[in-house]
This record gives sequence, structure tokens and C-alpha cells, in this order.
Amino acid sequence: GAVVSQHPSWVICKSGTSVKIECRSLDFQATTMFWYRQFPKQSLMLMATSNEGSKATYEQGVEKDKFLINHASLTLSTLTVTSAHPEDSSFYICSVQHGGRRNTEAFFGQGTRLTVV
Amino acid sequence: KNQVEQSPQSLIILEGKNCTLQCNYTVSPFSNLRWYKQDTGRGPVSLTIMTFSENTKSNGRYTATLDADTKQSSLHITASQLSDSASYICVVSAPGGSYIPTFGRGTSLIVHP
Repeated sequence: GAVVSQHPSWVICKSGTSVKIECRSLDFQATTMFWYRQFPKQSLMLMATSNEGSKATYEQGVEKDKFLINHASLTLSTLTVTSAHPEDSSFYICSVQHGGRRNTEAFFGQGTRLTVV
Repeated sequence: KNQVEQSPQSLIILEGKNCTLQCNYTVSPFSNLRWYKQDTGRGPVSLTIMTFSENTKSNGRYTATLDADTKQSSLHITASQLSDSASYICVVSAPGGSYIPTFGRGTSLIVHP
């Protein structure tokens, strides 16, 4: 399966600052990456679809000016949480899809625990 | 609306015992169904993936079943180990190029010694 590396694995930041999270596809080129957010004891919620070389597609309710996504290469997508607030504290996970149309499988990064104080 | 419902929400078993987790879905059309294991503070890791034509698939002590007619799947864990303590997530996908999967809320499994 695909190997997805996410960095950092955890970060603590002050309210009002910005935090950048990186997602790398290590063994294949990903034109599309997905960013999820997961609150405690909740399922993963899709935030946005990151498209290489073009603008990201955001899910309803997700502020695109607050969660900046850049997918400048086929192996790297970044999520920047701008002007972070305590309510942004969550577990952020990226994924890439790999495989054919019927057996496409999602491979996930190890996640980033963001705590805003 | 595509939905994936998992039960039970949480489960506690003794080490060595077997257990079965359930997943019901309304996603249609259907492409594939996957079970993931997510350890606390980690990203999900794939256990099994099944397409429409498959009704059972095993991965070591994990066996997944699929009934595409009733839109139900189960994950059976045999001879549980302490390391099986985790959240188990059922994910169902529809065909199509955009491929956005629908996630269940997961079953939290705790295995006690």
C-alpha cells in the first residue's frame, strides 16, 4: 500500500498564530489528497480535497480562508490553520487514494494533534 | 443521503474472546467497503477491502463479511489480543472519479487481560 507521512505528529500553539501541517505521499504521485478533522470519539470528517496544481475543494461549513491548502507537487500537500483558536484543537489527518476504480483504497497519514492554547 | 451506521458504539471483551462488529450502510451505488483500525492518536490503517462481488475476506485474525443485498457488513475478530484495543471504522465508497468515502463513527473496542 501507499505510504503517507504527516508532519508534525503533534503541535501546541498560541491562539492567534498559524500552524502548517504537511502531508507527503512517499511512494507514488498523488494528484488528489484529502484532509480530515476528527474530534474526540467522533468519526473522520472531510474538510477539503486538495488538487495538485489547482485550488482545493472545500466541504460545506469549512472556511477556506482559515484552512489554507496548498498542493504544489504530486507528493506534498500542506494544510495551514490560520489565526488558530482553541476550538480548532483537533486531530487532523490526510489521506491519498490508490488503486483502480473498484478497489480504490485510502491510505492515511499518522495524523497531527493540534492543541491551541 | 449516504450513511454508514456502526454498532455497537463501544465494546469491552476479555483477552482471548471473539467479537463481531456490525456495519449497515445506505451508500448507493456501491463500489467497495473497507474496515480500518485506528489506534488512539494515530491515523486509520486498512484491515480489509471488499468489492460488490466479494462476501468474505480475511486478514489474519480479522474476517470481514459483506451482504450487498442487505447492505450489511461485519468484522469478526478471533482470539482477541490486548493490541486489538482500538477504534474500528467502516468506510463505504461509491464509484466515480471524485471518490469521496462515507465513514462510520466507529466501534471502540477495549480488550481486557
